[in-house]
Amino acid sequence: EVQLVESGGGLVHPGGSLRLSCAASGFNFVRHAMHWVRQVPGRGLEWVSGFSWNSGTIGYADSVKGRFTISRDNAKNSLYLQMNSLRPEDTALYYCATGDEFELELRFWGPGTLVTVS
Amino acid sequence: EVVLTQSPGTLSLSPGERATLSCRASETLSTHFVAWHQLKPGQAPRLLIYGTSRRATGIPDRFSGSGSGTDFTLTISRLEPEDCAVYYCQHYSSSPWTFGQGTKVEIK
Repeated sequence: EVQLVESGGGLVHPGGSLRLSCAASGFNFVRHAMHWVRQVPGRGLEWVSGFSWNSGTIGYADSVKGRFTISRDNAKNSLYLQMNSLRPEDTALYYCATGDEFELELRFWGPGTLVTVS
Repeated sequence: EVVLTQSPGTLSLSPGERATLSCRASETLSTHFVAWHQLKPGQAPRLLIYGTSRRATGIPDRFSGSGSGTDFTLTISRLEPEDCAVYYCQHYSSSPWTFGQGTKVEIK
């Protein structure tokens, strides 16, 4: 069973940094693209960034480009999001998501970790 | 980036009725890379449709997707009370991936 568990969220002041982690289990991590998607309170979903199965970055949302960095550690079955220069508008529930092997769809989601910038 | 515009903003229907949700893209999209997700309060998003018309595992057949070019549609053929949620279209053909702003489906 695919399991994704995010951690690292919390309260941070504007301009600060946080590093989110996503621990993956139940599947062959190296064969999966991995993504971060956020849900802004009272608003919708926003794809933040993705990392392909071939270790190439898929890209970033324009709103986070230059401030956020996605990375993965295949040996630890983990995905990360380094968030710098945080702004109040980055306040959101951050989800880790993946699809089936060698697939781009956002098929499986974690429960999310809340980031509050205030 | 591709802008996805969903309509209507809110749909209020009775159980058993048909719901038609629209998603219009700012440029032509490949049908391989359009999806629909369902979001309920306190839950993670749930993939309903991918590749424009393919139902994800475990999704009831009352959910169907269609479309091409810049216009895509999610249809719920017979609304059930548990379909009360916000529905998002999404494209994943090129970076940055984007979501529509959502359509809220209310059950009368």
